[in-house]
Amino acid sequence: SQQGEEDPQALSIQEGENATMNCSYKTSINNLQWYRQNSGRGLVHLILIRSNEREKHSGRLRVTLDTSKKSSSLLITASRAADTASYFCATDATRLDSNYQLIWGAGTKLIIKP
Amino acid sequence: EAQVTQNPRYLITVTGKKLTVTCSQNMNHEYMSWYRQDPGLGLRQIYYSMNVEVTDKGDVPEGYKVSRKEKRNFPLILESPSPNQTSLYFCASSPRTVGRYSNQPQHFGDGTRLSIL
Repeated sequence: SQQGEEDPQALSIQEGENATMNCSYKTSINNLQWYRQNSGRGLVHLILIRSNEREKHSGRLRVTLDTSKKSSSLLITASRAADTASYFCATDATRLDSNYQLIWGAGTKLIIKP
Repeated sequence: EAQVTQNPRYLITVTGKKLTVTCSQNMNHEYMSWYRQDPGLGLRQIYYSMNVEVTDKGDVPEGYKVSRKEKRNFPLILESPSPNQTSLYFCASSPRTVGRYSNQPQHFGDGTRLSIL
């Protein structure tokens, strides 16, 4: 199946620092979503950005989208221990086999050190 | 409270013994989906349903069955489980159909950790 790509695969930073993770995709999209997954739990929707938007904010989260580079970034400012989780992007990128599925990235595992 | 509920949360069983993982949502969502999550392979969709009596295969449907007789329920059935189906399974729902031209976020259950010996 087609997959988005995220980097880095893992990121470890000190509490209070900013964390940036990236998502790239292969074909055109209408929107891109970011999700968080705490260890062993279900994914939680964080933010959705449409293809005609360049930047979106939600609390300490800032998402950017560059459609020319087919990439998005999720920035978490002033990180906290509770931000330790895996972060996934999902897009509605064109699939040959279905219009009713998202394409998921492999995820970035973020560890916030106290 | 709006939620997606999966049961059981944990199950250890043996090869060939039929099992059902239930999923129920109380948000009147049209779209429901099953995923499995394996280390290094990410999230892979098994089946999805766009509404009652409308289901379709995802990326890894082999060995699984689903049904959508009621809007709120979307059970996942393993008729003859095998060890390669050992995984963490998630049910998800969204208000409308997910995918191309859709901006629907998905709501996930807490997962079912399945071990097949």
